[in-house]
Amino acid sequence: GQQVMQIPQYQHVQEGEDFTTYCNSSTTLSNIQWYKQRPGGHPVFLIQLVKSGEVKKQKRLTFQFGEAKKNSSLHITATQTTDVGTYFCAGWNTDKLIFGTGTRLQVFP
Amino acid sequence: DAGVIQSPRHEVTEMGQEVTLRCKPISGHNSLFWYRQTMMRGLELLIYFNNNVPIDDSGMPEDRFSAKMPNASFSTLKIQPSEPRDSAVYFCASSSFRGRAYEQYFGPGTRLTVT
Repeated sequence: GQQVMQIPQYQHVQEGEDFTTYCNSSTTLSNIQWYKQRPGGHPVFLIQLVKSGEVKKQKRLTFQFGEAKKNSSLHITATQTTDVGTYFCAGWNTDKLIFGTGTRLQVFP
Repeated sequence: DAGVIQSPRHEVTEMGQEVTLRCKPISGHNSLFWYRQTMMRGLELLIYFNNNVPIDDSGMPEDRFSAKMPNASFSTLKIQPSEPRDSAVYFCASSSFRGRAYEQYFGPGTRLTVT
């Protein structure tokens, strides 16, 4: 069936290091969204990408949508302890929304 | 803005009992989503509604699960009978329909434990 995989599953970094998570879909997506979930919390919307090849930035976060609209990435520059959490991508294919498997980020001070 | 409201926040029940989870979406939102989150399976979409009408319930695990949205401000997810494997965090989310631009607002979740 339709799947959205994320790698890596876990990432431990030292504060100040960069971090990237990759999202890959088995089918073409009409758009891609990214969410962040803090430990014990609920997913919080970060951003949405719609256009092929689109790149968006939010302060230290850079989001990309692949040319084929089947993959996406989230890059965090100079991580901080506040970046700790699980990052999910979510893609729409026609009327079905599929959440990625998530990447859990741990940042050590 | 109160955000999405879910109740109860925690539920502990015995196997075989009926469980009802409740959700109040953000006022003015016309799409509502129910999710289940576990360590093993991650975040799964169970069902979603547009304008109170179920659009896709293919994620509902089996007939023991049912969801209703009798009006724009209330939805329920019912499990009858409950089983230990139903233990999970259940999230409700709502959004405003703007084509495919579904920015979803999640509630705090209900942590369900079935013993």
